[in-house]
Amino acid sequence: GNSVTQMEGPVTLSEEAFLTINCTYTATGYPSLFWYVQYPGEGLQLLLKATKADDKGSNKGFEATYRKETTSFHLEKGSVQVSDSAVYFCALSQGGGADGLTFGKGTHLIIQP
Amino acid sequence: IAGITQAPTSQILAAGRRMTLRCTQDMRHNAMYWYRQDLGLGLRLIHYSNTAGTTGKGEVPDGYSVSRANTDDFPLTLASAVPSQTSVYFCASSPRGWKTDTQYFGPGTRLTVL
Repeated sequence: GNSVTQMEGPVTLSEEAFLTINCTYTATGYPSLFWYVQYPGEGLQLLLKATKADDKGSNKGFEATYRKETTSFHLEKGSVQVSDSAVYFCALSQGGGADGLTFGKGTHLIIQP
Repeated sequence: IAGITQAPTSQILAAGRRMTLRCTQDMRHNAMYWYRQDLGLGLRLIHYSNTAGTTGKGEVPDGYSVSRANTDDFPLTLASAVPSQTSVYFCASSPRGWKTDTQYFGPGTRLTVL
């Protein structure tokens, strides 16, 4: 079956530090890959996505590249801000139905001023 | 307001009671989903619906049922709640249910079963 593995944290960084959150996946075929973000007390919202190998998703200074050879989709940001503090979920999709989204367990990111 | 609404926001429920969590979307999305979020486990799919009139089981369907009478509504029912169903429940929708689709999530319902 499908699975997603990501560092769980909490990850604590100082403002303006470089961020990497690792994500690797196991899936048959060619899934789409996503990063969702959950701010305190809210539902999840899409941060970025990539739908085929070598695609790069980007949004709000965050980037992730779909690497099929290493089955990875690591999230990076060059300079984090306090407002980036949230829980980040890596996920994959093989389509609708019973697959829905397969999520990692989430990484709690804390940015200190 | 476009998006997904869920009700109630939170609920404390006695074990053995019946409870329906409501979910409504106004984006005319075909596919809808229910997930539960538990600390250390991420989100897990409970049930899904690819289109109005059809439903299916996800990873953790036991103790839950759903219906999809129309495009907009996708209620989740706990027939007889148990403490292990204490969780945060998220409803989501996507335009077609394709693997490239973004899923849009509601704000969640925090359920405590005592």
